[in-house]
Amino acid sequence: DGGITQSPKYLFRKEGQNVTLSCEQNLNHDAMYWYRQDPGQGLRLIYYSQIVNDFQKGDIAEGYSVSREKKESFPLTVTSAQKNPTAFYLCASSIRLALGDTQYFGPGTRLTVL
Amino acid sequence: ILNVEQSPQSLHVQEGDSTNFTCSFPSSNFYALHWYRWETAKSPEALFVMTLNGDEKKKGRISATLNTKEGYSYLYIKGSQPEDSATYLCAPGEGSGGGADGLTFGKGTHLIIQP
Repeated sequence: DGGITQSPKYLFRKEGQNVTLSCEQNLNHDAMYWYRQDPGQGLRLIYYSQIVNDFQKGDIAEGYSVSREKKESFPLTVTSAQKNPTAFYLCASSIRLALGDTQYFGPGTRLTVL
Repeated sequence: ILNVEQSPQSLHVQEGDSTNFTCSFPSSNFYALHWYRWETAKSPEALFVMTLNGDEKKKGRISATLNTKEGYSYLYIKGSQPEDSATYLCAPGEGSGGGADGLTFGKGTHLIIQP
């Protein structure tokens, strides 16, 4: 089955620790995205990538970092500089980086920082 | 970032009834509008992508219309069923087409179908 996987589903970390969220896709999509959801808010774009070894900051990139070493993988690191990291994180991909292209979402990771 | 308004925030509908809700967005520099359905404990699922003023899309009992001149889209569900219970997200995008950083998600309409 083609799709997007995110792991883990739930993640708990102590304040001050960096944590990496996994996102893998086997859809052969060029573009990948990371979003964050907080209660009562719409999805907000953290980072996106158009192609391997290229990525761009979204609206709320501060305190996050990403890499795109392989087409299939786009891991997100939540660093200790992120002031309020507890949230639900969604990864998505699309065929191209284009506004008219459908984005396909993973199941999400809920991160709780204690 | 666009100012995207979805209304109502939540909606309770009796099974079998039809319903509709709205997505409002600035009409200037519009490029595309996406609708997604997000069921609890599942991934958001794409419903429609619309780009042209007057566009109408249909998928089973769900349809959507787009008015880019006045900046709104309606989503209609005919004969609601329990499986329609979900949060419906709209995401308009502005710009030239490339660069999906122009996509802004609304907060969603949470639909509950009561048997």
